[in-house]
Amino acid sequence: KNEVEQSPQNLTAQEGEFITINCSYSVGISALHWLQQHPGGGIVSLFMLSSGKKKHGRLIATINIQEKHSSLHITASHPRDSAVYICAVISYGGSQGNLIFGKGTKLSVKP
Amino acid sequence: DVKVTQSSRYLVKRTGEKVFLECVQDMDHENMFWYRQDPGLGLRLIYFSYDVKMKEKGDIPEGYSVSREKKERFSLILESASTNQTSMYLCASRLPGGEQYFGPGTRLTVT
Repeated sequence: KNEVEQSPQNLTAQEGEFITINCSYSVGISALHWLQQHPGGGIVSLFMLSSGKKKHGRLIATINIQEKHSSLHITASHPRDSAVYICAVISYGGSQGNLIFGKGTKLSVKP
Repeated sequence: DVKVTQSSRYLVKRTGEKVFLECVQDMDHENMFWYRQDPGLGLRLIYFSYDVKMKEKGDIPEGYSVSREKKERFSLILESASTNQTSMYLCASRLPGGEQYFGPGTRLTVT
């Protein structure tokens, strides 16, 4: 079983829709990252959080440490949000704080 | 702005060739990482380094070596390239406990 599971694997939405991507993990963590990867390869860090909620523009990330679950929400989605979204965690005692990655959620937003 | 650069975006090499992939970061980060990314497998850690001349094996070090002679530069070496090393290679850096910053990636094809 993977230590970090994301759902759904693929998601297609219409422009303007509210989108939720989920991440569940099975290890104790010190922090969780949400990353975005556009076609062409570059990965950008969207959020790093260890509790509660963070917001940046139309993006909101939440984490529930007790339930070992995080969500990434996109409000008023736009075709430029089309990308792969990756959840990654740093586990307690992990070697030098290495990230454990989920397999990603591929989002396609249609105009 | 943190910048992580990689020496090539695209590279084509022949089986058996020695391949060097270079990564440079400009923010004095201690930790640097090399990953490969393959469809369906996500990001996998090859090697990481937490200081100059220090290196640790990741999850899939076989067939690779690394060099970190200066803090800002982390090189990945394929001693004898094979077709199963055709992949996207991503470098990253961060301060301990901080956000992770990725390079643009090198798409390596071994023929």
